[in-house]
Amino acid sequence: EVQLVESGGGLVKPGGSLRLSCAASGFTFSSYSMNWVRQAPGKGLEWVSSISSSGRYIYYPDSVKGRFTVSRDNAQNSLYLQMNSLRAEDTAVYYCARDASSSESYYYYWGQGTLVTVSS
Amino acid sequence: EIVMTQSPATLSVSPGERATLSCRASQSISSNLVWYQQKPGQAPRLLIYGVSTRATGIPARFSGSGSGTEFTLTISSLQSEDFAVYYCQQYNNWPRTFGQGTKVEIK
Repeated sequence: EVQLVESGGGLVKPGGSLRLSCAASGFTFSSYSMNWVRQAPGKGLEWVSSISSSGRYIYYPDSVKGRFTVSRDNAQNSLYLQMNSLRAEDTAVYYCARDASSSESYYYYWGQGTLVTVSS
Repeated sequence: EIVMTQSPATLSVSPGERATLSCRASQSISSNLVWYQQKPGQAPRLLIYGVSTRATGIPARFSGSGSGTEFTLTISSLQSEDFAVYYCQQYNNWPRTFGQGTKVEIK
């Protein structure tokens, strides 16, 4: 059974940093691209980052480029999101999601999410 | 950036009735469109990929159609468990983008 478990969320002040983790199990982690998607309270879904299976290819939307860094450790079956210079508008539930397959980059499996609150 | 526009924002439907949700892309996305269902307090669940293919375990009452820039999710006979928010998403271009969602509520 595929499992994705996020951790690392919490309360942080504007301008602060936070590192999210996603522990993956139930599949060959090193074979899949992984993603972060967020959802602000009461709002819709927003894609935050994607990283290829090897970590060679990385993508971000303009809203987080230069502030967020995605990485992965295939030996530890883990995905990370380093978030710096956090703003109030980064407050959201952050979901880890796995690509459907090596050639289909939509999100077949999702974690339960971890809440990040940016507030003074 | 491809803008995904869903309509209506809210759809009020009685159980057993048909629901039709629309999603429009600002430019062609070929068949690279998915639909997700999200219930309160839960992560999104994949319903449909490649415009019209149901994900594993999704009932046949859910169907998707369309091409290019216009897409539709149809729920043929709404069940109580189908009242939720539905999102479309394109995976043709970077950045990946979602529609703003359609809430299907009980009439």
